[in-house]
Amino acid sequence: DAGITQSPRHKVTETGTPVTLRCHQTENHRYMYWYRQDPGHGLRLIHYSYGVKDTDKGEVSDGYSVSRSKTEDFLLTLESATSSQTSVYFCAIRPGLLHEQYFGPGTRLTVT
Amino acid sequence: QKEVEQDPGPLSVPEGAIVSLNCTYSNSAFQYFMWYRQYSRKGPELLMYTYSSGNKEDGRFTAQVDKSSKYISLFIRDSQPSDSATYLCAMMSGAGGTSYGKLTFGQGTILTVHP
Repeated sequence: DAGITQSPRHKVTETGTPVTLRCHQTENHRYMYWYRQDPGHGLRLIHYSYGVKDTDKGEVSDGYSVSRSKTEDFLLTLESATSSQTSVYFCAIRPGLLHEQYFGPGTRLTVT
Repeated sequence: QKEVEQDPGPLSVPEGAIVSLNCTYSNSAFQYFMWYRQYSRKGPELLMYTYSSGNKEDGRFTAQVDKSSKYISLFIRDSQPSDSATYLCAMMSGAGGTSYGKLTFGQGTILTVHP
């Protein structure tokens, strides 16, 4: 998984609770991404980061925030989880001189 | 209309068959094209990357890009049961484009190769 770990791997939470997902990389790559995957939609970009404290929104960013205080960690926060945020969340990295992205193992989140 | 369209299948073929997976796109700014393979409950795995029109071959896999028609394909020769997975196409605009550095994915095609 390209030196990427995600935690937790599975989580069940209740509507209205805050949730934070963590992505950790071991290679100090500059670019990191958060995607969600839902049936019929492929992967959709939530937020991405191009450096420490440098982040920007993707196509489905509503209800999500991110933080990157260290190169190796990219956090995704659902401030108040909703059932529509039940999904599989993937983190990805992009080595700086390349265009390809490499994905982590994913976090399966269920909001009840 | 989605920027990238991919037939979700499912596609079921016998072992040894040639498989053709396809994506069309509408954004002429897309310059870089990738194919990912995703096994059940795993993360996507990069299979092929290409940036020019034409064919690129890697073992049993051939990626084909036709920028004039906005059409990309992945061919799998001598398909094996271990090729059973979801295949996702993904693409990115060139430097200076609004989606540079960000991938846009197709919906994925579910492939089953049966013995």
